[in-house]
Parts: sequence; C-alpha cells; structure tokens
Amino acid sequence: SSELTQDPAVSVALGQTVRITCQGDSLRSYYASWYQQKPGQAPVLVIYGKNNRPSGIPDRFSGSSSGNTASLTITGAQAEDEADYYCNSRDSSGTVVFGGGTKLTVL
Amino acid sequence: QVQLVQSGAEVKKPGASVKVSCKASGYTFTGYYMHWVRQAPGQGLEWMGWINPNSGGTNYAQKFQGRVTMTRDTSISTAYMELSRLRSDDTAVYYCARDRGGLRELLGFLVYWGQGTLVTVSS
Repeated sequence: SSELTQDPAVSVALGQTVRITCQGDSLRSYYASWYQQKPGQAPVLVIYGKNNRPSGIPDRFSGSSSGNTASLTITGAQAEDEADYYCNSRDSSGTVVFGGGTKLTVL
Repeated sequence: QVQLVQSGAEVKKPGASVKVSCKASGYTFTGYYMHWVRQAPGQGLEWMGWINPNSGGTNYAQKFQGRVTMTRDTSISTAYMELSRLRSDDTAVYYCARDRGGLRELLGFLVYWGQGTLVTVSS
C-alpha cells in the first residue's frame, strides 16, 4: 500500500516562512491535501488539490507539488499556526493514506 | 451549513464490537463519499475506509479488512462504521469525514469532519 513521509517536527520564528513536506509515490499521480490539527480538536482542511484553500483559511497557507513531493508553505507564520499538520492523498486503487504528521512549533 | 454529528463515547471490552454513527445534514447525503479516520491517543491520523452512500460500495484499508464494516441508511442520512474483535490498541477517536469531490471522482480531500467519537477498549 502507499505511504506518505513527513518530517516529525519543524520550527519557525514568528513572522517567518516555513515549508512542510510530504513524500510518496502516490503524489506523482494524485494531488495531496493538508490538514491542521490542534490539541483536542478535529482536523481542519487547509489546502487541497493544486493549491486551493477552503473558505476561511488565511492566504498565508499555500501548497505546491513536484514529482513525488507535496509541500505546504506558511508565509508569515503566526502563533495560532502552531499545530500538527498532516498530508494525505489517494492512490490508484482508491485507497487513501495519511502522512505521519509534522508538529509545527512557532518560536 | 454542512454538519456531521457523531454518536457518543463508547467503552467496550476486548473481543466486542462497536458501531459508530455519523448523521449528515446540510447537503445531499448520497452525493459524496464518506470516509472514516481514526486517531489513537498521541498518534497520527489513520484512514480506515470509505463508503459510497449512493451505492453502498466500500473500500477498506487493508489493515482493517475483515474487521470493519461501513454501512449507511439513506432515509436518515446516516453513515455507520462497525469495528469487530476489538483490541486495546483500537482505543482511539474515530472520525467521519466527507470528501470534497462528488461521486464521479474520489478525491480524498476531507473537507467536513465530525466531532469525533472516543472508543475505549478495556477489560
């Protein structure tokens, strides 16, 4: 089955830019989506497809993809962006897989 | 507005089964795939499978094949996830989540989530 790999932890200084990456073979054929999860809360979709944001998601969140790697970029990170971030994608069999998650710390 | 409201917390003994419900409102229930995702304490998100609410067709993660059953009742816009032969490591919060795409294309973009249901497996 497909696998998606994320760095376990990333940190960023307040107001700076951070990129969180997700690698996997399925990303060569299918777009990823990205989820933000804060403690005790359900995940929230922040980016999907080529680079689409659901309504209500700040435009400092953006996505990109190249080859087998998808990236989530936060430009001008805020304190409230500190959270766990997960990528996911589907594969050719119609199953879906999540990455292991990245804990983002805003310093 | 779209809402997914899940059933309440459950405590089960090892070997038992649990059935979690997810009542949808604010959209056409039969028009979108519904996924189930779980999260063990302190762990990441784990996809369990999806159901096509229109046809009842399902696709389960290999890990749960033979133990999970996803069903729906279109008359009350409710999806169900039943997990059998529970073990202690099935202790987790279980979420239902609606796909963003319609039934023509499974996207895997989970745009709406239920509030989660804590299932505790303990003797």
